[in-house]
Amino acid sequence: QTVVTQEPSFSVSPGGTVTLTCALSSGSVSPSHCPSWYQQTPGQAPRTLIFSTKTRSSGVPDRFSGSILGNKAALTITGAQADDESDYYCVLYMGGGSVIFGGGTKLTVL
Amino acid sequence: QVTLEESGPVLVKPSETLTLTCTVSGFSLSNVRMGVSWIRQPPGKALEWLVHIFSNDEKSYSTSLNNRLTISKDTSKRQVVLTMTNMDPVDTATYFCARIRRTYDSGAWYFNHFDYWGLGTLVTVPS
Repeated sequence: QTVVTQEPSFSVSPGGTVTLTCALSSGSVSPSHCPSWYQQTPGQAPRTLIFSTKTRSSGVPDRFSGSILGNKAALTITGAQADDESDYYCVLYMGGGSVIFGGGTKLTVL
Repeated sequence: QVTLEESGPVLVKPSETLTLTCTVSGFSLSNVRMGVSWIRQPPGKALEWLVHIFSNDEKSYSTSLNNRLTISKDTSKRQVVLTMTNMDPVDTATYFCARIRRTYDSGAWYFNHFDYWGLGTLVTVPS
């Protein structure tokens, strides 16, 4: 069974840069997986940040960017702010209509 | 304005069947570029995709829960209904519905991303 792996946790200083990644247990992530990224704060619904690897959703600040780094999808936050402290999830399209969520990364800004 | 709203029971007994309804507004369930998914999140855990449905009644189910899930839609009522049989305490979770955007490529439609989410509804299965 395919698993999508994210770093369980990450810490970044205010104003710093952090890159979160999203990997497949078998094979490389490519644009055909349509990587997308979601931000979730406790008790809230997820918010869409990035889709189609690198397209920012409406209203998302440009400090959030998406890419493919090596064999993984990546979400980079440049100039992290206190309210970026959240859980971040990636989603990959696996074909045949199915999608998989990564296990999520808890980002701390301190 | 696009909205999705989940509704259903807050408490379900073990072995019973859960029925949840997602009522949408701001878009039509007959729009070929869109679909609706159900996603759940156990307390303190990660999001898990369950199932989705598209305008032509095309459906995809999570393989881990396939035999317990059924999704349907009523376009005129703007509702998508999820049923999950044989509920267990491990199924305690917040259940979200989300709108899917699809892209068209090489003669077919493909999942692209979730663009709008409901607020979610917490369903508890007591042990």
